[in-house]
Amino acid sequence: AQSVTQPDIHITVSEGASLELRCNYSYGATPYLFWYVQSPGQGLQLLLKYFSGDTLVQGIKGFEAEFKRSQSSFNLRKPSVHWSDAAEYFCAVGARAAGNKLTFGGGTRVLVKP
Amino acid sequence: DAMVIQNPRYQVTQFGKPVTLSCSQTLNHNVMYWYQQKSSQAPKLLFHYYDKDFNNEADTPDNFQSRRPNTSFCFLDIRSPGLGDAAMYLCATSRDGLAGGKETQYFGPGTRLLVL
Repeated sequence: AQSVTQPDIHITVSEGASLELRCNYSYGATPYLFWYVQSPGQGLQLLLKYFSGDTLVQGIKGFEAEFKRSQSSFNLRKPSVHWSDAAEYFCAVGARAAGNKLTFGGGTRVLVKP
Repeated sequence: DAMVIQNPRYQVTQFGKPVTLSCSQTLNHNVMYWYQQKSSQAPKLLFHYYDKDFNNEADTPDNFQSRRPNTSFCFLDIRSPGLGDAAMYLCATSRDGLAGGKETQYFGPGTRLLVL
């Protein structure tokens, strides 16, 4: 069965600084990987996804993520954080089985300091 | 704009009093999901509909039921809410569930349930 680990529960970053959120997955085949963001009291919004091909994927809001098969990682990055990036970020892996289920990591809460 | 809508956004119920949460979608997607998300935790899938086919997760309590009367609407019924059922309930959709894990899920804003 697939699993996703986000080692950092909380991260605090200054506005304008760079951000990197870690995600490690366990899956027997080529994974389908997603990053979602959840602003307080809101649903989840897709930032980006990786299925195959170029291992560096670009997403919305200036985010990018890099798939590294050798490290079983799919880390999310942003070069310069804005106050509006304060949110919870979830990494997820998509299952190949019917129903298109997602397995989420535990999430990383990002706080942005002025 | 096409979207996933959840009503109400906040729901207060009493211990043991049945409650229904509503989800509608204008995306014409075939698959609809219900997730439970407790504070500071990842969303946990309760069940999903693939068209009219209902798929329950093995660890979803019997207290939780769902109905999908048509493509656009899906309901979550909690027959006898307990204090432990207080959570955010998220509805999501995906296009057809055939892409083997590749499909994007589109989430609604959630309904926060409070049990008194």
